[in-house]
Amino acid sequence: DAKTTQPTSMDCAEGRAANLPCNHSTISGNEYVYWYRQIHSQGPQYIIHGLKNNETNEMASLIITEDRKSSTLILPHATLRDTAVYYCIVRVDRGKLTFGTGTRLQVTL
Amino acid sequence: DGGITQSPKYLFRKEGQNVTLSCEQNLNHDAMYWYRQDPGQGLRLIYYSQIVNDFQKGDIAEGYSVSREKKESFPLTVTSAQKNPTAFYLCASSIVAPTNNQPQHFGDGTRLSIL
Repeated sequence: DAKTTQPTSMDCAEGRAANLPCNHSTISGNEYVYWYRQIHSQGPQYIIHGLKNNETNEMASLIITEDRKSSTLILPHATLRDTAVYYCIVRVDRGKLTFGTGTRLQVTL
Repeated sequence: DGGITQSPKYLFRKEGQNVTLSCEQNLNHDAMYWYRQDPGQGLRLIYYSQIVNDFQKGDIAEGYSVSREKKESFPLTVTSAQKNPTAFYLCASSIVAPTNNQPQHFGDGTRLSIL
């Protein structure tokens, strides 16, 4: 499994962009980067995924560096409801998702 | 609405009892998964199934069993052989694609506690 490294916690003011980094320096060429978030006592919620191009959907943007060794999840206008643990995951075969301990994002007024 | 339904939300078990957790999906997904989450930890894969009547062990299958008789259902039995069953159990499903890149979608979990 390609290992990911994320900061333990981050703060963001409401209305500002939240930029969550992830390092995955051992990623291989066919491994995707996935982002999920988990609000306390709920199941993880899928946010976005990508291989090498930047991706955007209604929730967030994913920026992957050209060498694919790191990525950044961007929540363009964070709200209090975005407070959660955010997981950066590199996919392996047979569907197994390897979750680390993620980044705890606290959005404040 | 389409989604994944796990029941019950909370479950209590006496020591020595088997207990079955339900997971149903109406997303028409071929693949289904069971994960376990302990406090402050990430998720660990227990079992997964990519097609009806077939399933594979994950990283921590000991003390658990599953069945996949229908596409939409993937129940997990926590047996008395599981020595530390207290945890948050999460079920997920996904499309099976040749590039294996389809995201998994999760239910809201079942919290199992030992009395």
